[in-house]
Amino acid sequence: EAQVTQNPRYLITVTGKKLTVTCSQNMNHEYMSWYRQDPGLGLRQIYYSMNVEVTDKGDVPEGYKVSRKEKRNFPLILESPSPNQTSLYFCASSLGPAGEETQYFGPGTRLLVL
Amino acid sequence: SQKIEQNSEALNIQEGKTATLTCNYTNYSPAYLQWYRQDPGRGPVFLLLIRENEKEKRKERLKVTFDTTLKQSLFHITASQPADSATYLCAHTTGGYQKVTFGIGTKLQVIP
Repeated sequence: EAQVTQNPRYLITVTGKKLTVTCSQNMNHEYMSWYRQDPGLGLRQIYYSMNVEVTDKGDVPEGYKVSRKEKRNFPLILESPSPNQTSLYFCASSLGPAGEETQYFGPGTRLLVL
Repeated sequence: SQKIEQNSEALNIQEGKTATLTCNYTNYSPAYLQWYRQDPGRGPVFLLLIRENEKEKRKERLKVTFDTTLKQSLFHITASQPADSATYLCAHTTGGYQKVTFGIGTKLQVIP
């Protein structure tokens, strides 16, 4: 089954404790993105990747890092989480650029930073 | 800067009627505009994409129009059903087709 998976689905952590949210897709897509969703603000793009080792900033990259060492994986790293990073996070992948092609979204990761 | 706005936060409609949702943008016309459905606690699901040079796109009971003069896209669900109740998001590219901006969504409730 074609899908995007994220882990963990739920995470409670404390300020400053580094964490990684994993994302994996099995569709051989070149393009992947991370979004965060907050009430009243909608989905906002954090980072995107066009291929292995090629990443770029979205609209809200501050406080986040990403890496793309393999085509199927696109982890999101919060090196020093803060309470304002409490949010619902989605990973997405697409065959072509995100704006031109169908984006397939993962199930989401709900993060609470205390 | 380019903004994308959806007309209301909630829309209630009677089953069987046509639901019409609006997406407005400022400034320049996006090359592509997408519509997604999102159910509570789940990731968005892609529905339709319309290109700048297309006036209309259809898929089963769904129809999207794109009016570059009004800077607006309309999303229609005909013969609406309670199962259509969800939040509908529009999205467009902003300078480079990898960057995507979403509206905050319109929550549709179809009443039996």
